[in-house]
Amino acid sequence: GNSVTQMEGPVTLSEEAFLTINCTYTATGYPSLFWYVQYPGEGLQLLLKATKADDKGSNKGFEATYRKETTSFHLEKGSVQVSDSAVYFCAAGNRDDKIIFGKGTRLHILP
Amino acid sequence: DVKVTQSSRYLVKRTGEKVFLECVQDMDHENMFWYRQDPGLGLRLIYFSYDVKMKEKGDIPEGYSVSREKKERFSLILESASTNQTSMYLCANSLTDQPQHFGDGTRLSIL
Repeated sequence: GNSVTQMEGPVTLSEEAFLTINCTYTATGYPSLFWYVQYPGEGLQLLLKATKADDKGSNKGFEATYRKETTSFHLEKGSVQVSDSAVYFCAAGNRDDKIIFGKGTRLHILP
Repeated sequence: DVKVTQSSRYLVKRTGEKVFLECVQDMDHENMFWYRQDPGLGLRLIYFSYDVKMKEKGDIPEGYSVSREKKERFSLILESASTNQTSMYLCANSLTDQPQHFGDGTRLSIL
């Protein structure tokens, strides 16, 4: 079955710093890959996705590239804001509606 | 926008009680899911349903059951609540092979 491993948090950065949150996966076949974000007091919402090797998903200044050779889907943002403080979940699945989530990485951005 | 509504944001119950968590969607989505979210463990799938009156076990179904009598409503039932079921419960839904949409969660405490 699929599994997802992401870096443990919390990650604390200053505003405008560069962000990387690592994510690797194991899967049968070629899964779709996702990043979901959970803001305080809310449920998860889809941030970005990629469906095949070398695809780049992007949204709200965040990017992640589907790297089949390293089975990775690292989340990056060039300049973080305080409003990016949240928990970020990497996920993988052979169907978009049947996915496995990583354990989540809490991100704190200091003003 | 798809709206997924969970009936309670916070709920406190006692050990041995039968507990119902309700989830209602306002779109015509086939698939509905129940997860629990715990620190350090991420999201774990309890049950899901791909159609009315249909249910399938997820990764941690023990101690739970579900009911889907109507397409828009998916109920999670704790038959006899125990303290280890204290958690955040998240409902989600989706169209087939489309990303999931989440409710804001129910924080359940079992005393």
